[in-house]
Amino acid sequence: SQTIHQWPATLVQPVGSPLSLECTVEGTSNPNLYWYRQAAGRGLQLLFYSVGIGQISSEVPQNLSASRPQDRQFILSSKKLLLSDSGFYLCAWSRRDSYNEQFFGPGTRLTVL
Amino acid sequence: KNEVEQSPQNLTAQEGEFITINCSYSVGISALHWLQQHPGGGIVSLFMLSSGKKKHGRLIATINIQEKHSSLHITASHPRDSAVYICAVRSTSGTYKYIFGTGTRLKVLA
Repeated sequence: SQTIHQWPATLVQPVGSPLSLECTVEGTSNPNLYWYRQAAGRGLQLLFYSVGIGQISSEVPQNLSASRPQDRQFILSSKKLLLSDSGFYLCAWSRRDSYNEQFFGPGTRLTVL
Repeated sequence: KNEVEQSPQNLTAQEGEFITINCSYSVGISALHWLQQHPGGGIVSLFMLSSGKKKHGRLIATINIQEKHSSLHITASHPRDSAVYICAVRSTSGTYKYIFGTGTRLKVLA
């Protein structure tokens, strides 16, 4: 069976500090991978998605970047965090089929102070 | 107007009540996904539908492709059903992205 891991679960960082969130998927190969952010009380916003190693599509201009160094690893980064980067970050994966059912990781709650 | 609309936005019910959450969409889709987000933030997949009806325990999901509408029903609701329910569609536009509904916040009182 497939599982998706995210870490850390919670993170408190000062403004201006760097960020690295990691997501890994087990039990599947060639997944599509996604990073979402959910601000407090808001819906899910797609930040990045990837259809393969080194292939990243950015959905919104922002202070964040993503990388996919391995098939089942997806990393969300920032060089300098802003207060507005606070939120709940979710990684998801899907198979490459017509249904595109997405499965979500447990999420990382990021607070920037 | 959002491409995927949910109603109601908020719903409070008494334990045992039958609950219906609606999702309407304006785009062509290949599949519709119902998700449940718990108060802690985790998201659980409930159903993936492309036609007809699916049932899992007390949850039933239906979809009418011609009317571009889906419903999620909860029978004999329980306080542990309290969560945000999210409808997401995969459009036929050829991308891998979901289009999300606005979510329905359900609270079931004991």
